Amino acid sequence: NAGVTQTPKFQVLKTGQSMTLQCAQDMNHEYMSWYRQDPGMGLRLIHYSVGAGITDQGEVPNGYNVSRSTTEDFPLRLLSAAPSQTSVYFCASSSSPGPWDEQFFGPGTRLTVL
Amino acid sequence: SQQGEEDPQALSIQEGENATMNCSYKTSINNLQWYRQNSGRGLVHLILIRSNEREKHSGRLRVTLDTSKKSSSLLITASRAADTASYFCATGNAGGTSYGKLTFGQGTILTVHP
Repeated sequence: NAGVTQTPKFQVLKTGQSMTLQCAQDMNHEYMSWYRQDPGMGLRLIHYSVGAGITDQGEVPNGYNVSRSTTEDFPLRLLSAAPSQTSVYFCASSSSPGPWDEQFFGPGTRLTVL
Repeated sequence: SQQGEEDPQALSIQEGENATMNCSYKTSINNLQWYRQNSGRGLVHLILIRSNEREKHSGRLRVTLDTSKKSSSLLITASRAADTASYFCATGNAGGTSYGKLTFGQGTILTVHP
């Protein structure tokens, strides 16, 4: 199993550009989530999904959209990138339909917005 | 807002010594998890303790949970240079507005000197 994969690994955007961060898992996990990690801030939850077709907002959802059309994929869309969205983004998945068990994390996407 | 707060923010010890990190949280939890993050990498799950458990062991790791004090501690015994990493606690919440969300603390940076 590849586990949780994220693409791209690095990305540089200009203010106002849009892009999609990809996340996929091959473990048939119900629960998937997106976090951003900023220095000194730990991880903050952006959006999460408890199953295909179901998404909800986390702690810092503004400026981001998600959808979950399949169990495997959970893309994160930046609608109009801003410098404040410069961060490292992590996707995670879990076999439970909630954060009740071990989360499996992807390797992260380092995003810089100029 | 961050549910978990960790203490200390940074810890520097010699190889062979024990390392203790503490985590406090604010609201009722379903479980508390500890994760490790090596520099530039994704998070790796270490151990999960449920709200009805008081202590759990995994190899050189010992986790305690005191729900009356809303706190947990992670003890790493006989530390090694390879234990150098950031350690995060995360709380899974079962109800209310936090349902479905895993909330991370800001982390403790552990440095183990050879």
